[in-house]
Amino acid sequence: AQKVTQAQTEISVVEKEDVTLDCVYETRDTTYYLFWYKQPPSGELVFLIRRNSFDEQNEISGRYSWNFQKSTSSFNFTITASQVVDSAVYFCALGGFKTIFGAGTRLFVKA
Amino acid sequence: NAGVMQNPRHLVRRRGQEARLRCSPMKGHSHVYWYRQLPEEGLKFMVYLQKENIIDESGMPKERFSAEFPKEGPSILRIQQVVRGDSAAYFCASSPPGGLSYNEQFFGPGTRLTVL
Repeated sequence: AQKVTQAQTEISVVEKEDVTLDCVYETRDTTYYLFWYKQPPSGELVFLIRRNSFDEQNEISGRYSWNFQKSTSSFNFTITASQVVDSAVYFCALGGFKTIFGAGTRLFVKA
Repeated sequence: NAGVMQNPRHLVRRRGQEARLRCSPMKGHSHVYWYRQLPEEGLKFMVYLQKENIIDESGMPKERFSAEFPKEGPSILRIQQVVRGDSAAYFCASSPPGGLSYNEQFFGPGTRLTVL
């Protein structure tokens, strides 16, 4: 069975702190895609990253970075120097036509 | 290039009424997916359609829910005789034609359905 687990339900940090959102997945597929999405209070889904299972290089995009570790089936997301505008729910997802979403982690960044 | 469009963005219905949610995929996209997000939960797959075909509807409730993607026009998710438990955000996604294109799903802004 395919599954995505985001164990952290809510995280609260103070602005400028670094924060890591955890994601653990289960799949029997040898080729798969992993995603992170941001859902701000307005409710839409904002695509952040897509990662192919063959590409284990970590990726950095501005204040965002992702750590993909196939050996532990994890795809963690770090925000460096968090800002109030980062406050949102973040979803990790496992690709496929039935994209499997985790339950989400709600991040509060306080000024 | 316009993204995936959904309308209405907000829909209020009374119990027993019908709800019709529309999704216009991105230009050139022939695959459409519907997901439901219940309050405080992640998105759950409902149905995958290509033009005039339902490919997989394993996530659709057995009764009252139906979906179509006609040759012309938007994809429609129809909920008959709505109940309060249908209150949720419904997201549509589309992807281009091609073998593994489902890994390039682009999401619309969602329709928030409230059942009174």
